[in-house]
Amino acid sequence: EIVMTQTPLSSPVTLGQPASISCRSSQGLVHSDGGTYLSWLQQRPGQPPRLLLYKISNRFSGVPDRFSGSGAGTEFTLKISRVEAEDVGVYYCMQATQFPWTFGQGTTVEIK
Amino acid sequence: EVQLVESGGGLVQPGGSLRLSCVASGFTFSDYWMTWVRQAPGKRLEWVANIKHDGSEKFCVDSLKGRFTISRDNAKSSVYLQMNNLRAEDTALYYCARAPYPGVRPYSLFYWGRGTLVGVSS
Repeated sequence: EIVMTQTPLSSPVTLGQPASISCRSSQGLVHSDGGTYLSWLQQRPGQPPRLLLYKISNRFSGVPDRFSGSGAGTEFTLKISRVEAEDVGVYYCMQATQFPWTFGQGTTVEIK
Repeated sequence: EVQLVESGGGLVQPGGSLRLSCVASGFTFSDYWMTWVRQAPGKRLEWVANIKHDGSEKFCVDSLKGRFTISRDNAKSSVYLQMNNLRAEDTALYYCARAPYPGVRPYSLFYWGRGTLVGVSS
């Protein structure tokens, strides 16, 4: 099983300032078909998860461009360029390269 | 608009069974892989199972094999999760989710339902 580890677990951020979340996988996430199936999800309080980014850096429909993803191999990063109040919530990375699919433990973004 | 609506959750005693349902709308259900994911209170998300668009392939997390079974009825645009011999640790919010694009191996979860709550307690 691929273990996904996120840092930090909590990220207090000032409105308008950037935020960054790291995700490390215990194995490389390159699939035999050449794709790297790393996604980022946002879960606002009391809401279901919502897809933000897939295949490392592709923004899902309707996701603001202040969200961006990068990385390769076993190290990945989600960046929020300027945090807004609606960005408060828990962020998860997820790998779908190998079964079982696995998630990070979540990073809570809160406003200072 | 893509919609996924789960139902069937509830409170059940240890050893009991439940069948969760997820009804889909807003897309051609029979073209997409579907997935169940669960989230225990205060815990990270946990992938449970996937099923291919025609039901011919199924994948389930090893720890739940033998107790949980995923199935689908394309005529009813529905995916199901049969859960048997339930344990306290199965207490969670269960979400169904849809694969990115029709006919292809899923590599993410583009759309999620709001979940149905399962509680296992005596």
